[in-house]
Amino acid sequence: EAQVTQNPRYLITVTGKKLTVTCSQNMNHEYMSWYRQDPGLGLRQIYYSMNVEVTDKGDVPEGYKVSRKEKRNFPLILESPSPNQTSLYFCASSPQRERGNEQFFGPGTRLTVL
Amino acid sequence: AQSVTQPDIHITVSEGASLELRCNYSYGATPYLFWYVQSPGQGLQLLLKYFSGDTLVQGIKGFEAEFKRSQSSFNLRKPSVHWSDAAEYFCAVRMDSSYKLIFGSGTRLLVRP
Repeated sequence: EAQVTQNPRYLITVTGKKLTVTCSQNMNHEYMSWYRQDPGLGLRQIYYSMNVEVTDKGDVPEGYKVSRKEKRNFPLILESPSPNQTSLYFCASSPQRERGNEQFFGPGTRLTVL
Repeated sequence: AQSVTQPDIHITVSEGASLELRCNYSYGATPYLFWYVQSPGQGLQLLLKYFSGDTLVQGIKGFEAEFKRSQSSFNLRKPSVHWSDAAEYFCAVRMDSSYKLIFGSGTRLLVRP
């Protein structure tokens, strides 16, 4: 089944404790992206990647890192999480062949930073 | 800057009634337009999309949307709402120069029995 998977789905952590949220897609998509969803703000892009070893900042990149060593994986790293990073996070992927292609979303990761 | 506005935070309709969710965008050219639905505890599922051509597009689950260039709008409609349509709906646009999606703040749909 074609899908985007994220792990963990739920995470409660404390301020300053490094964490990684994994994202993997099995559709051979070139483009991958991370969004955070906050009430009243919709989804905002954190980082994106056009292909392996190519990443760039989105609208709200502060406090996050990403890497793209393999085409299928695009982990989101919080080196020193803070309470304002409490949010619902979505990973998405899209083929690059046509710009009109839809983005496929993972199920989301709900992160709470105490 | 490009932006997407969904003016209704919440909408409540009775089951069987018609539905229209509003979406306005700010962009100089014709963007790629999308409607996504997010059911409770789920990710986002694409309902429909518009790139060019016929301005009335059909999507899944009986939804349709109409692109109106003069009004910079892409409103979502459904003639008869089902209780299972209760969810949050997001309008999104993408510029032709980027893959980034810009989302509206969402409209939460409640369905009365």
